[in-house]
Amino acid sequence: GQQLNQSPQSMFIQEGEDVSMNCTSSSIFNTWLWYKQDPGEGPVLLIALYKAGELTSNGRLTAQFGITRKDSFLNISASIPSDVGIYFCAGYPNAGNNRKLIWGLGTSLAVNP
Amino acid sequence: EAQVTQNPRYLITVTGKKLTVTCSQNMNHEYMSWYRQDPGLGLRQIYYSMNVEVTDKGDVPEGYKVSRKEKRNFPLILESPSPNQTSLYFCASSSRGRDNYGYTFGSGTRLTVV
Repeated sequence: GQQLNQSPQSMFIQEGEDVSMNCTSSSIFNTWLWYKQDPGEGPVLLIALYKAGELTSNGRLTAQFGITRKDSFLNISASIPSDVGIYFCAGYPNAGNNRKLIWGLGTSLAVNP
Repeated sequence: EAQVTQNPRYLITVTGKKLTVTCSQNMNHEYMSWYRQDPGLGLRQIYYSMNVEVTDKGDVPEGYKVSRKEKRNFPLILESPSPNQTSLYFCASSSRGRDNYGYTFGSGTRLTVV
């Protein structure tokens, strides 16, 4: 099935550093979602974006819906050890069954205290 | 507490022995979905349901069945499990609302087929 291109695949950073990851598609999306999965748990929704150009924050997390509607990025500022996990982007394409979420493969984040 | 509940959390079974993984949500959500997660492959949709008695195949439906007789429940059935169905399974639900497209996930079921 269709998949989003998410990068980087993994990151290993020092506590306190900022983190940036992004997601791209070859087609237009009308909704972008960012999830975090803690080890042994299901993904949890962090931020939802509904309009091109939209910039939304959730604590130290900030996500943006790209102007072209083909990309989105997630920033984490001043990382802490509990930020460890896998971050997934997901979205609903503009065309087709708008209830079928398309997923990236995830960015695995490790934080060194 | 609003949640999606899956059972069991862990299951080891033998090839060919039918099993059912249950999923229940208490948020009155219309949409429900099953995913499997495998290393390097991300989350792949198995089946989804847009409402009671309405189900459809996802990307990897082979070897699985589902039913949606009630709005809150969406069981996943493996009629004859095989080792390649060893995986981490997630049930998820979502409302139909315009600003509430995000799925709420269960805690997962780790299935091993030997």
